[in-house]
Amino acid sequence: DSGVTQTPKHLITATGQRVTLRCSPRSGDLSVYWYQQSLDQGLQFLIQYYNGEERAKGNILERFSAQQFPDLHSELNLSSLELGDSALYFCARGTSGGYNEQFFGPGTRLTVL
Amino acid sequence: GENVEQHPSTLSVQEGDSAVIKCTYSDSASNYFPWYKQELGKRPQLIIDIRSNVGEKKDQRIAVTLNKTAKHFSLHITETQPEDSAVYFCAAWDNNNDMRFGAGTRLTVKP
Repeated sequence: DSGVTQTPKHLITATGQRVTLRCSPRSGDLSVYWYQQSLDQGLQFLIQYYNGEERAKGNILERFSAQQFPDLHSELNLSSLELGDSALYFCARGTSGGYNEQFFGPGTRLTVL
Repeated sequence: GENVEQHPSTLSVQEGDSAVIKCTYSDSASNYFPWYKQELGKRPQLIIDIRSNVGEKKDQRIAVTLNKTAKHFSLHITETQPEDSAVYFCAAWDNNNDMRFGAGTRLTVKP
């Protein structure tokens, strides 16, 4: 158990639509990271939140946004979806204490038709 | 920003042999280098990591070495087993607070 919950597990939607992916880290872990993994591709860092604030931004499209709430769960919002957005989206929790370890959730598989 | 290159992209070994995967990074300020194992359809799992103040770290059959001068680090798996078959990702944590991953190595261990 990585201590991260992601919902939904699978999501199928159409082009042009908007979806929200949810991530809940273990209680006490302040950092949340979002990654995108396309088919047969590596892991692309999207964005990091720490204690409710954006800390780092990677290759995140303008159509995507995220936020972290006071209870430390996070949501990744994907809008104006395109076929190429079909991918696995992982959330990872960062351990407290600044040791940088990241533990990944089970992921949300998004399919855009 | 940080750029991480990983080689080889695929690796096939016989059960019992050793496997070595190599990564290079570009940002000399990077100070944390984890390795993840990802089985098909599953989450990446942290298997070992090393910090820039250490040259080598071992955990049973796996070890990681770091050469800061050359900016490269390697994963070594000894006495490979079929259950070691997976995609392995290296990563480097740079001073912009984000993790850059290598493209992955698909390891196949033949019984």
